[in-house]
Amino acid sequence: DAGITQSPRHKVTETGTPVTLRCHQTENHRYMYWYRQDPGHGLRLIHYSYGVKDTDKGEVSDGYSVSRSKTEDFLLTLESATSSQTSVYFCAITEGPNYGYTFGSGTRLTVV
Amino acid sequence: GESVGLHLPTLSVQEGDNSIINCAYSNSASDYFIWYKQESGKGPQFIIDIRSNMDKRQGQRVTVLLNKTVKHLSLQIAATQPGDSAVYFCAEILTGNTGKLIFGQGTTLQVKP
Repeated sequence: DAGITQSPRHKVTETGTPVTLRCHQTENHRYMYWYRQDPGHGLRLIHYSYGVKDTDKGEVSDGYSVSRSKTEDFLLTLESATSSQTSVYFCAITEGPNYGYTFGSGTRLTVV
Repeated sequence: GESVGLHLPTLSVQEGDNSIINCAYSNSASDYFIWYKQESGKGPQFIIDIRSNMDKRQGQRVTVLLNKTVKHLSLQIAATQPGDSAVYFCAEILTGNTGKLIFGQGTTLQVKP
């Protein structure tokens, strides 16, 4: 989607290795979110950010950490990947809670 | 607890017919609702939104209805087309300033030619 890109688009990694996913936006939006999507669960919030260096946990944050050192980038890190973290990860941005949200195209992560 | 759910996992309709996708939510503190469409291999795409001070909102071929009394949300698609085939999610935002979206599990809309 215009203004938001996720990288990589696909990744296969081994159990126990660290993995970092990147979300980059050019909209200068304050709010950024990381979701994971699994069959039967819809999209579930992992972590979110409401400003540079301001982050908080979502409903499925165990095993994940995030960082936001500048407005345009929101990084999601799996410190030690597990097979249960195999999923599709989506980043979303918005300028405010009651404005529209734009989603990235997703990162498909497979942990073997 | 907080939850947003859709009534049917799959809805199959004939091309040209109207589609109605339903969603029930449990949190009366929610004040903003959004419908998303997700095609295979893509991220969710915004369709239409509605705020809690409204009960109906119309877009191009789509209408969202909000019934706060029974905590029910619906998406109506007029003259359904093959390009409407996708998974549809409703999402709610709780009152406050964190902007966290809570998603339902999704309804797959299949359009038969």
